[in-house]
Amino acid sequence: DIVMTQTPLSSPVTPGQPASISCRSSQSLVHSDGNTYFSWLQQRPGQPPRLLIYKISNRFSGVPDRFSGSGAGTDFTLKISRVEAEDVGVYYCLQATQFPFTFGQGTKLEIK
Amino acid sequence: EVQLVESGGGLVQPGGSLRLSCAASGFTFSRFWMSWVRQAPGKGLEWVANIKQDASETFHVDSVKGRFTISRDNAKNSLYLQMNSLRAEDTGVYYCASLGLQTGNRDYWGQGTLVTVSS
Repeated sequence: DIVMTQTPLSSPVTPGQPASISCRSSQSLVHSDGNTYFSWLQQRPGQPPRLLIYKISNRFSGVPDRFSGSGAGTDFTLKISRVEAEDVGVYYCLQATQFPFTFGQGTKLEIK
Repeated sequence: EVQLVESGGGLVQPGGSLRLSCAASGFTFSRFWMSWVRQAPGKGLEWVANIKQDASETFHVDSVKGRFTISRDNAKNSLYLQMNSLRAEDTGVYYCASLGLQTGNRDYWGQGTLVTVSS
């Protein structure tokens, strides 16, 4: 199985400041069809997860443009340009290139 | 409005069985892959199983292979997870989901149903 490793596991951020989360996979996430099925999800307290980014850098419908994704191969990054209070929660990376799909451990974003 | 409503969770003894159901509405259920994702108390997310539109393909994570079976009934717009030989480590919230991870065309989640395996 592909192992997804996130850093940091906790990130205290001041509102208005940027935040960045990294995710590394144990093997390349490039699919045989040439696409990379790497996503970011957000889970707010007490809620089911929510898709933020798919295929590395594509924002899902309704996701604010302060969220952006980048990366390639085995190394990926989620950036929040200016953190807002509503961004509090746990962020997960997810690979869907190979079954079984696997998540990272999660990164808890907290407001200072 | 898209809705995924899970049911069937509860308290069960180790070695017991449960069948989770997920009732879908507001979208064309038969068009999409469906999945179960679980979350142990205070822990992260774990993908449990996927099923293709016509049920011709299914995938289960190794930790549940041989014990859990995902299935669907497109005529009833319903997804199921039959869970046998349950263990304490199967305790958690089970989410029914359908995600457009290739196309970005959907992000559907239920509210989850809690399964507790304990004597």
